[in-house]
Amino acid sequence: AQKVTQAQTEISVVEKEDVTLDCVYETRDTTYYLFWYKQPPSGELVFLIRRNSFDEQNEISGRYSWNFQKSTSSFNFTITASQVVDSAVYFCALSEAGGTYKYIFGTGTRLKVLA
Amino acid sequence: NAGVTQTPKFQVLKTGQSMTLQCAQDMNHEYMSWYRQDPGMGLRLIHYSVGAGITDQGEVPNGYNVSRSTTEDFPLRLLSAAPSQTSVYFCASSYGPSSGNTIYFGEGSWLTVV
Repeated sequence: AQKVTQAQTEISVVEKEDVTLDCVYETRDTTYYLFWYKQPPSGELVFLIRRNSFDEQNEISGRYSWNFQKSTSSFNFTITASQVVDSAVYFCALSEAGGTYKYIFGTGTRLKVLA
Repeated sequence: NAGVTQTPKFQVLKTGQSMTLQCAQDMNHEYMSWYRQDPGMGLRLIHYSVGAGITDQGEVPNGYNVSRSTTEDFPLRLLSAAPSQTSVYFCASSYGPSSGNTIYFGEGSWLTVV
């Protein structure tokens, strides 16, 4: 069975601190996709990144970086020099390669960045 | 560039009433789906469609009905609203495997059943 675990329910940091959001997944598929979405206080879901199971290269986009490790079934998300605007709920999700309609979401991590 | 459009954004229903949440996308996506978001439970799939005329059940389909008569539209019907259906509903769409399964969400519909 597929499963996504975000063990951190809520994290609070002070502005400019670095913070890592953890995501651990379970799947029997050899081909799959992993995602991160951001949900700001306004409520919409914003796509941040997609990673397929064959690409273990880490990715950096500005202050955001993602560490994908198949050996530990983890896809962690780091925000460097956090800002108040980063305050949001962040969801990690897993999708099997052929089933684009079947996303399995983690329960989300609420990040609070304090000024 | 509208993307995925959901209406209404907010709705209050009485127990037993029926209603339809509308969803439309202008990206010519084949795949569309409905999720509900509840506190502490992430997002759960209600129903999905892989093309016009084709729908199937997700994880939590009871109490909901869908149809897909066109590529653009995928309405979600609540047949007889119950307080347990109080939730935030998201419609989503995707090109499918050609886009790496990336789905794009509407802005959400906040539903309260009293």
